[in-house]
Amino acid sequence: AQSVSQHNHHVILSEAASLELGCNYSYGGTVNLFWYVQYPGQHLQLLLKYFSGDPLVKGIKGFEAEFIKSKFSFNLRKPSVQWSDTAEYFCAVTRASGSARQLTFGSGTQLTVLP
Amino acid sequence: ETGVTQSPTHLIKTRGQQVTLRCSSQSGHNTVSWYQQALGQGPQFIFQYYREEENGRGNFPPRFSGLQFPNYSSELNVNALELDDSALYLCASRTGGQGGELFFGEGSRLTVL
Repeated sequence: AQSVSQHNHHVILSEAASLELGCNYSYGGTVNLFWYVQYPGQHLQLLLKYFSGDPLVKGIKGFEAEFIKSKFSFNLRKPSVQWSDTAEYFCAVTRASGSARQLTFGSGTQLTVLP
Repeated sequence: ETGVTQSPTHLIKTRGQQVTLRCSSQSGHNTVSWYQQALGQGPQFIFQYYREEENGRGNFPPRFSGLQFPNYSSELNVNALELDDSALYLCASRTGGQGGELFFGEGSRLTVL
């Protein structure tokens, strides 16, 4: 079974600082990778996803992530955070084949951006 | 707004009771899945339905059961509630294709006393 590890439980940054959130997964086969964001009081929404091809993927709101297969990692980055980026961020993985395609989530990283 | 609506938004039950949570999928989505999100944790997969049949299940006991209806709306039923069932229950829907993005509802917050 696959698993996801997010190293940082809570990150506090000032506006304009750069962000990198770590995500490592364990699964021996081909995977699809995702980052979701949950703003306070709102539903989970997709930031970006990786299925295949260019390992550097760009998502919404200036976020990007890099898939490094040899390290089983899919870290999320943003060059300059804003106060509105305050939210909880979840990394998730699913097998690339099979009918269920269940998502396995990490435990999340709470990002607080100080104005 | 994802087009996925869940009800009720909050409810309180006592241990041993039964609960039914409902989900209305986004139009055109034939696949629905349910997740449990305990406080401070990421969502955990409960099960998935595709065209009214369960086609995937996570590590949850049989007292967690579900239904998907012809209009693709869905229910999650939990029998014999335990204190540890207190959580946010998320419904998510997508099309059946490989690249189908999951759209989540805002969840039903269940408290078991």
